[in-house]
Amino acid sequence: QQPVQSPQAVILREGEDAVINCSSSKALYSVHWYRQKHGEAPVFLMILLKGGEQKGHEKISASFNEKKQQSSLYLTASQLSYSGTYFCGTVFSNTGKLIFGQGTTLQVKP
Amino acid sequence: SQTIHQWPATLVQPVGSPLSLECTVEGTSNPNLYWYRQAAGRGLQLLFYSVGIGQISSEVPQNLSASRPQDRQFILSSKKLLLSDSGFYLCAWSTGQGVAKNIQYFGAGTRLSVL
Repeated sequence: QQPVQSPQAVILREGEDAVINCSSSKALYSVHWYRQKHGEAPVFLMILLKGGEQKGHEKISASFNEKKQQSSLYLTASQLSYSGTYFCGTVFSNTGKLIFGQGTTLQVKP
Repeated sequence: SQTIHQWPATLVQPVGSPLSLECTVEGTSNPNLYWYRQAAGRGLQLLFYSVGIGQISSEVPQNLSASRPQDRQFILSSKKLLLSDSGFYLCAWSTGQGVAKNIQYFGAGTRLSVL
């Protein structure tokens, strides 16, 4: 049931864009995105509920496609501070718990 | 505002020794509480979660156990540590209510090395 994230790792230059995908084999109720910097705890970025909405957080936005059972995280004009590991977390029912993907490591270079 | 405290930050223990990690949440009542383990360079593995005092659900069979003696206190324990128990242990809480019920807020974590 663990969602699958792709790619596993991304290396960018400052100002470049990136997309991180999160796919599930089961129908999703909601998708969460978290970022974890090295040696620190994960930090919540945003939640997307079923309905195909798109949300934004600074220059980071995300979409949720219920039919495809996947979510994408968009990082535009990346900054050095965006470096870290991004996790998607999926919820399969209204009362369900969060199940995290394996993570995507993003490295932004000057 | 809500805060979550987790200690100790770092722990080095010999194989076969006991373990007790504590997590407390302030500024909210009746939170859902979670224990995760993260191996080096890996994802987040849910170990236990609790929706109330004395209510513990175990996700992965292992030599660890969890207890919730008070509403905002969550304890992770082991009677005898194994080498494979090494990792980064994270406690988290969520409101358990409303559309944001599953948004989890993490403590700073405990880095456990079993030698």
